[in-house]
Order: sequence, then C-alpha cells, then structure tokens
Amino acid sequence: QQQVKQSPQSLIVQKGGISIINCAYENTAFDYFPWYQQFPGKGPALLIAIRPDVSEKKEGRFTISFNKSAKQFSLHIMDSQPGDSATYFCAASKASGTYKYIFGTGTRLKVLA
Amino acid sequence: ETGVTQSPTHLIKTRGQQVTLRCSSQSGHNTVSWYQQALGQGPQFIFQYYREEENGRGNFPPRFSGLQFPNYSSELNVNALELDDSALYLCASSRDGEDGYTFGSGTRLTVV
Repeated sequence: QQQVKQSPQSLIVQKGGISIINCAYENTAFDYFPWYQQFPGKGPALLIAIRPDVSEKKEGRFTISFNKSAKQFSLHIMDSQPGDSATYFCAASKASGTYKYIFGTGTRLKVLA
Repeated sequence: ETGVTQSPTHLIKTRGQQVTLRCSSQSGHNTVSWYQQALGQGPQFIFQYYREEENGRGNFPPRFSGLQFPNYSSELNVNALELDDSALYLCASSRDGEDGYTFGSGTRLTVV
C-alpha cells in the first residue's frame, strides 16, 4: 500500500513533442504529489507538485494531471527540449509530521534534437 | 541563499567498516531527511530529523543511525558496511517539514 508505481521506465521523444509519464498509488492518505528531475551525478530537483484538491496544475511547459478517483497522476512536458533529457521521479507523501516521500522507480527521458 | 551541501562526494569503503556522511541543510531549514538511492532506482527514505530529534524512520536496520546538530546540519552513520550499502546517499532539507524538500547532490558510497 506504500508503493508508487511509475511508467514507462524509459521514454524517447522528438524535440518539440509531448512527454508523458504516469504514476499510480494505493494509499488514499497521500496528500502531496511532487515530481523531481534528476540529472546524472546530481540530486533530485523539485519540478512541480500538486495536492488532491485540484485536478491539474501547470507551470510553464510542465503540467501535472491528477485523478483522485483512479489514484493516478501524470506529468506532461510540452514542447520537449534536449535539455529536458533526465530521469524523472514521481513521489507521494502524507501530512503525518514526517513528510517522508515514497518515490516511484523513475523514468529516463531522452529528447532527440 | 545556499542550498544543501553534502560531503564527501565520493567514498570507497571495505565491507565491515564504518562510514560517516555529512550534510549542511539549506539556510533557514530545520528538518533533514536522508535517502538511499541504489543505481537505477528511486530514493528510499532512511530517516528524518527535526530540531535534533529523529521523528521518522524507514525500513533500514539499526546500523544506520544519524544525528542532527544545533545548527541543523546532520550526519548519517553506517556501521558494519555491506556490499548492498553501495548507493548514492541523499540529504534533503525543509523548513518545519514543509513540502518541497531541497536535495543535495549526494554522496556516492562504494563498498568493496
């Protein structure tokens, strides 16, 4: 019940295309869903995050879509650029005072020039 | 405003040895979490410190221990190292455990 399942494992997109990464969770107590971007040799960097009270959040080229009933959320990267090539992790946490993140297994995105 | 800094960046240890990893939290942050990231995997929560007290722990054995100091910097100690402890160890900080943790670049530990 603590797992966050992420797909696909890897993704290749042409420059200017849309990248879509999906995540699913089981624990309905989760109430915070961040996405992190990680480049080789670096720590994860917060990209965008959403709470269950909204179904969509957009920041620049990045959009999170959230489906509370299906317990799924996804990251859309519009107009994908070669500089977006990185590993993306979804995560989930609950406001229990610990705020520990349960991370997905990651998606390696490659954007072709 | 400085971010989260970790030291050392790389480390090689022999099985059975002990290791200490260090983390300086971002300015104004009083909460530090430690994560273990095996190659090709997502980070796994080890434990969290808030105002020098441990306030959450993941599924890691007691040989993983930590400290948080009055300036909110933190240490991760691992005793009796095993080959499977080889991983990237990440430190993340926030203010009062609020959302949006800031991660450091990690310490790459190799156990041989």
